[in-house]
Amino acid sequence: GENVGLHLPTLSVQEGDNSIINCAYSNSASDYFIWYKQESGKGPQFIIDIRSNMDKRQGQRVTVLLNKTVKHLSLQIAATQPGDSAVYFCAEINQAGTALIFGKGTTLSVSS
Amino acid sequence: NAGVMQNPRHLVRRRGQEARLRCSPMKGHSHVYWYRQLPEEGLKFMVYLQKENIIDESGMPKERFSAEFPKEGPSILRIQQVVRGDSAAYFCASSLTGGEGYEQYFGPGTRLTVT
Repeated sequence: GENVGLHLPTLSVQEGDNSIINCAYSNSASDYFIWYKQESGKGPQFIIDIRSNMDKRQGQRVTVLLNKTVKHLSLQIAATQPGDSAVYFCAEINQAGTALIFGKGTTLSVSS
Repeated sequence: NAGVMQNPRHLVRRRGQEARLRCSPMKGHSHVYWYRQLPEEGLKFMVYLQKENIIDESGMPKERFSAEFPKEGPSILRIQQVVRGDSAAYFCASSLTGGEGYEQYFGPGTRLTVT
């Protein structure tokens, strides 16, 4: 069935370090993935997306890597800042193309 | 350029009452999605609507829950005879068009508490 999950519920890093947040998915037919950031009391905020015909996509300070062989997705944040502290969710579009399926999230804590 | 708007931001209802949650999509967006988030969990899809049409309601509970997106006005998620298990954050998202590859923009959510 369709399932998107994350490896670790929490990640703590020092300011300036690089952060890597991982996500495993089970549906090998999935072809579109998104990373969202959710700060406390707010709605999810789009970070970056990637299609299955790509292995890597870069944004501003963020990189998403997709390994279709092992059905693994990761989000890399360079030079992590305190403002990056939030819960990060990976999500995939369902097969019907009508909804996002979210994983449970990783809480990133950045200390100064 | 206002984003997705939801109101109220917080709603308290007693068991058995009705809850009405409103969502105004981003300007120019005609696709609306409702999600529910329980504490410490990810968002769960409930329903996808276009103007005056329900496209996918596979995530909606069969009873007590309904949604609409009229030609004029906001989308409404209605929960009748609320129970404590309905306590959650309800998020609305909108997109310019449907399907993959079109970013869904989320509102700030409505936090429903059932006492």
